[in-house]
This record gives sequence, C-alpha cells and structure tokens, in this order.
Amino acid sequence: QVQLVESGGGSVKPGGSLRLSCAASGFTFSDYYMSWIRQAPGKGLEWVSYISSSGSNIYYADSVKGRFTISRDNAKNSLYLQMNSLRAEDTAVYYCARGKHLYTSSWYGFDYWGQGTLVTVSS
Amino acid sequence: QSALTQPASVSGSPGQSITISCTGTSSDVGGYNYVSWYQQHPGKAPKFMIYDVSNRPSGVSNRFSGSKSGNTASLTISGLQAEDEADYYCSSYTSSSTPYVFGTGTKVTVL
Repeated sequence: QVQLVESGGGSVKPGGSLRLSCAASGFTFSDYYMSWIRQAPGKGLEWVSYISSSGSNIYYADSVKGRFTISRDNAKNSLYLQMNSLRAEDTAVYYCARGKHLYTSSWYGFDYWGQGTLVTVSS
Repeated sequence: QSALTQPASVSGSPGQSITISCTGTSSDVGGYNYVSWYQQHPGKAPKFMIYDVSNRPSGVSNRFSGSKSGNTASLTISGLQAEDEADYYCSSYTSSSTPYVFGTGTKVTVL
C-alpha cells in the first residue's frame, strides 16, 4: 500500500535552516509528481511546493520562493524540502503528498498524504 | 494567489444533507475541471474525497458528491453521519504561477 513518511521536523530559531525528508513506498515513485503542503497551528492548508516526476519542473508558493528548495531522489524513493531563512510564520505541520501521475493530463489533486512533520520557528 | 472562499462552518442533523461551497475565479475553479476536496479529522492528515470536480476515489462513500457551476464548486454530503464531522477543504488547479490553491476550509458539525 502507498506510504509516505515525513521526517526532519523540529524546533529552529528564526533565520535558521531545516531539511525535511519524505520516504515513499508502495508505488512507482518516479512516475508521480510530488508536493509539500503545510498547515499552521489551527489554520488551513497551504500548498508550498511541487516537483514533477523527473524533477525538471518545480513550482513554489510566493510565500516561500527564494527560501525553500524542493528536490527528489528517484533512486531512493525520497522527496526533500530544504528550508532556509526560516520565519515564525513558517511554523506548521508539513505534509508530503502524492500528486498527478506522469501520464495523466488531469491535475487531479493529492491522493495520498503522509502524517506530517512539525516545524516550529521560534526564538 | 488568494485562497478559494469557503464558509467557515456548516452544520446539519444526522440523516440530513449539507452542501459546502468553494468560490474561486475564472483562473482556477471556473477555468478548469480540476477541483478536489479533502476531509480532515482533528490531528489527522487530509483524506482525498473528490477529484476532477465530481469523481470519487475508490473507497470513498457515495454519500459524498461534487459539482461545479461557474466559479463555484460544491461538495454535498447526504445522509449526514457523526463520522462526517470534520474540516473540509477544496483545492483547484490554477493558471497562475503557482499551480494549486486551497480553500479556506469549512468545519462541518453534526448536531
């Protein structure tokens, strides 16, 4: 069965860095676009970043552009999010989610999600 | 890219039907049939409930249905049950520089 397991969250001071990882299993990772989505405490979902199956196309929310970098290693079935220059407003649970299949034309959304990893940015 | 607009809360009695709206623009909801809906129980990850406006993934109850008219998408829950009490979020593909946007979220309460 499809599994997505995030790791790497924790507490960091403003201006600091953190690298999140997402280990995928149960499907052909290299066939799917992948995304990071976050949820601040008590708030709604916010899409953060998206990477195509090959890694050649990458998108970021304006709120993280220039500070966050998404990447993937298809040989290791892993997705990453390098977060630099962290701010208090980046405090959130970060979810790894599976996006569209390489060969589908539909941007149908996110069909599997991990359990999330909490990032807290505070002095 | 602004979030899609959803009502903050919707409530209903067991057995009733409720509808949650999700309003966007012609650049997102109105321009594409790529609206999806997610259910989130407290402390849990979101669950994929509807895709491409009105399609249900395998395993999702047929009490959940989706539709769209113009720039507004809707999720209807029929035969409301206690387990349906949760937060619900819509999402849409967009033509902006960022491909996805989520709705503001709706808390469903079963009275």
